[in-house]
Amino acid sequence: DADVTQTPRNRITKTGKRIMLECSQTKGHDRMYWYRQDPGLGLRLIYYSFDVKDINKGEISDGYSVSRQAQAKFSLSLESAIPNQTALYFCATSDPSGFETQYFGPGTRLLVL
Amino acid sequence: AQTVTQSQPEMSVQEAETVTLSCTYDTSESDYYLFWYKQPPSRQMILVIRQEAYKQQNATENRFSVNFQKAAKSFSLKISDSQLGDAAMYFCAYYNAGNMLTFGGGTRLMVKP
Repeated sequence: DADVTQTPRNRITKTGKRIMLECSQTKGHDRMYWYRQDPGLGLRLIYYSFDVKDINKGEISDGYSVSRQAQAKFSLSLESAIPNQTALYFCATSDPSGFETQYFGPGTRLLVL
Repeated sequence: AQTVTQSQPEMSVQEAETVTLSCTYDTSESDYYLFWYKQPPSRQMILVIRQEAYKQQNATENRFSVNFQKAAKSFSLKISDSQLGDAAMYFCAYYNAGNMLTFGGGTRLMVKP
């Protein structure tokens, strides 16, 4: 079984809809992250959480919110989706004792019409 | 803010040959980590190799090795005996405490049979 899972893997939605992307991990890591990747570009950080009570904005948090329901679960919400949020979204985890290496989920491809 | 630059948008290599992908970064820190991630068409982000800045010895993982030049802020990836399965996007990334993982724009590697 994969250590970091994301659901759904693909999603099509309409402008103005609220959607949630979910991430679960079995690695036992405290730190979790949400990234966005646009075509031909590297990943950019949306939000991150170092433990259940810790939530921090990343580089591009506007239009997004997150919830850390448990150590193993970190959800990303788009309150009112817009077309320029069409992108590939990745969840990742890390363990600070593991040389800050981040382990990524398989990604969710989101299309906002 | 830290920046990571990959100056080669695309590279091509003949199967079984060696190729080097370039990466430079900008930082005023002395303690940090550098990574190369591979993103094949499956879009999964896969860790290739990691380098701790305090280590002078270049990291090696099987056919993958790095040339870490701390003073020059350069971190290139060498792939030896290239295989068809090496074809992917490769991302260089930088991390230090207090900052999040910063990615370069990526290099698309094509492997010719």
